[in-house]
Amino acid sequence: DTAVSQTPKYLVTQMGNDKSIKCEQNLGHDTMYWYKQDSKKFLKIMFSYNNKELIINETVPNRFSPKSPDKAHLNLHINSLELGDSAVYFCASSPFGMNTEAFFGQGTRLTVV
Amino acid sequence: GIQVEQSPPDLILQEGANSTLRCNFSDSVNNLQWFHQNPWGQLINLFYIPSGTKQNGRLSATTVATERYSLLYISSSQTTDSGVYFCAVNSYSGYALNFGKGTSLLVTP
Repeated sequence: DTAVSQTPKYLVTQMGNDKSIKCEQNLGHDTMYWYKQDSKKFLKIMFSYNNKELIINETVPNRFSPKSPDKAHLNLHINSLELGDSAVYFCASSPFGMNTEAFFGQGTRLTVV
Repeated sequence: GIQVEQSPPDLILQEGANSTLRCNFSDSVNNLQWFHQNPWGQLINLFYIPSGTKQNGRLSATTVATERYSLLYISSSQTTDSGVYFCAVNSYSGYALNFGKGTSLLVTP
């Protein structure tokens, strides 16, 4: 009965490859997010979707493309992976609105070699 | 954008000790959350507290929105409290959380 689940938990891949991370939430929330946690543990928003529509798109290389097939799913596809993409990627969800509580998935540790 | 500062950056406690973690933010906020990132990397919700005081077992939190700060109190600390504590806020102009850099807590036996 996991609320926000991400797959895979770990991902090791070579430079230049394309990979996807999947996220699903069963909380009935309208809004989903991708955050990136760097090696210094700093967490920063990348994207947000509300009911399948993009509402936040921070300064992220266009090799990163989020896709939301429905409001319960938000996937992250990364093209031409680079060493600097190595990080932990967190998916989150919340009800729509600025004053709502967000819940996070367990994270995906991406290592690019 | 809104700035979030947490202090102290690092903290070492002996089991049983109490501690207070602080979060200052630079603008009015709609939302403030405290999270615990455990040694396995999971982000666990502790409090959703845009204002007021809440308690949950040995943990409590207070947000004074008019003075732009929040405090997280940990009493009778246990080794399982070790990890990184993050404060995160939404400003009135944003939908996503802005995180502080965290307080790294180590509780020793």
